[in-house]
Amino acid sequence: AQSVSQHNHHVILSEAASLELGCNYSYGGTVNLFWYVQYPGQHLQLLLKYFSGDPLVKGIKGFEAEFIKSKFSFNLRKPSVQWSDTAEYFCAVNALISGGYNKLIFGAGTRLAVHP
Amino acid sequence: GAGVSQSPSNKVTEKGKDVELRCDPISGHTALYWYRQRLGQGLEFLIYFQGNSAPDKSGLPSDRFSAERTGESVSTLTIQRTQQEDSAVYLCASSLVSIKEQYFGPGTRLTVT
Repeated sequence: AQSVSQHNHHVILSEAASLELGCNYSYGGTVNLFWYVQYPGQHLQLLLKYFSGDPLVKGIKGFEAEFIKSKFSFNLRKPSVQWSDTAEYFCAVNALISGGYNKLIFGAGTRLAVHP
Repeated sequence: GAGVSQSPSNKVTEKGKDVELRCDPISGHTALYWYRQRLGQGLEFLIYFQGNSAPDKSGLPSDRFSAERTGESVSTLTIQRTQQEDSAVYLCASSLVSIKEQYFGPGTRLTVT
């Protein structure tokens, strides 16, 4: 069965520190990959997505992610975090299910706390 | 344009009562999804609609849970004989087609007392 693993459940950083959140998936077919973010008290928002082309994708607020097909990974990065990046981050993979339909499979999420 | 909307935003109900949660997807989106998010946990997939049909109901936790969708529009998630473990935020999302990114609503916070 398809699955998505996010290795870090909780991450605590100081402002200006660099961020890398791991995401690995298990699915042998063609994938579309996403990172979603949920700020405190807000609903889930799309941060960035990969469909095809350049494996290094840039999203909003200075975030980027790199798709490494050989490693089945799609790690999220930001060179310098801000207090406002405090949120929960979810990696998701769009997988083909039986019957020819696609659905998103989410990781368990990583809670990021950034201290001023 | 308008995003995904859900109602009610909060629902408190007594154990054993039935509840109905509503989702209005973005106009023109053919795919609609329901998820559950328990406190401090990730997203738990419940059901997926493509148009009117539900090709994937694998996430519904029990036969107390059911959902329907009218046309390529409103969907309702019904929980019968609610239990305390049903307390969670129920999220709805829609996408233009199933392969594309999903847009999430604000959720309905259900509390079963």
